[in-house]
Amino acid sequence: EDQVTQSPEALRLQEGESSSLNCSYTVSGLRGLFWYRQDPGKGPEFLFTLYSAGEEKEKERLKATLTKKESFLHITAPKPEDSATYLCAAADSETSGSRLTFGEGTQLTVNP
Amino acid sequence: KAGVTQTPRYLIKTRGQQVTLSCSPISGHRSVSWYQQTPGQGLQFLFEYFSETQRNKGNFPGRFSGRQFSNSRSEMNVSTLELGDSALYLCASSTTGYGYTFGSGTRLTVV
Repeated sequence: EDQVTQSPEALRLQEGESSSLNCSYTVSGLRGLFWYRQDPGKGPEFLFTLYSAGEEKEKERLKATLTKKESFLHITAPKPEDSATYLCAAADSETSGSRLTFGEGTQLTVNP
Repeated sequence: KAGVTQTPRYLIKTRGQQVTLSCSPISGHRSVSWYQQTPGQGLQFLFEYFSETQRNKGNFPGRFSGRQFSNSRSEMNVSTLELGDSALYLCASSTTGYGYTFGSGTRLTVV
């Protein structure tokens, strides 16, 4: 059974204080690792898809990296508007079509 | 380009009733997936439809069902509602399965 675990559950940062969120996964052949951002009362907003170990993607203050067992979301010099829950999800190669296994998320709060 | 549209946004139902939720995917997207999100369980996969056929199913009881129409719009139905069915129900659409766009969800409260 596919499993995705995120840590920490919650993270509080000061504006400008860089940090990383962790996502460890156990899937039967990773087809894709996804990062989403979710604001309260809204649906998840797509950030990145990573497909193979060693791959990195960046968007503004966010950078996602992938190894064979985990993914990191690095946040550089965060701002209060980066406060949200960050979700990691994996798709395995044994399941055809669209089926994501999500982690519980990391609730990030950035204080001004 | 319009996003994924879910209706209604909020719903209050009584235990034992049934409910139908609707999802209109992004134009051209043929895959529609449904997820249940609760504080204790996080996001859990319900089912996926592709070209009007259920392609994947999660571990939910038979009270949860869905369908997809020829225009790719999808509906999910929950019968005999229980208090534990209170959740945010999210729909996601994709083309090849490598990009999933979520709607804003339907907040269902069962009283």
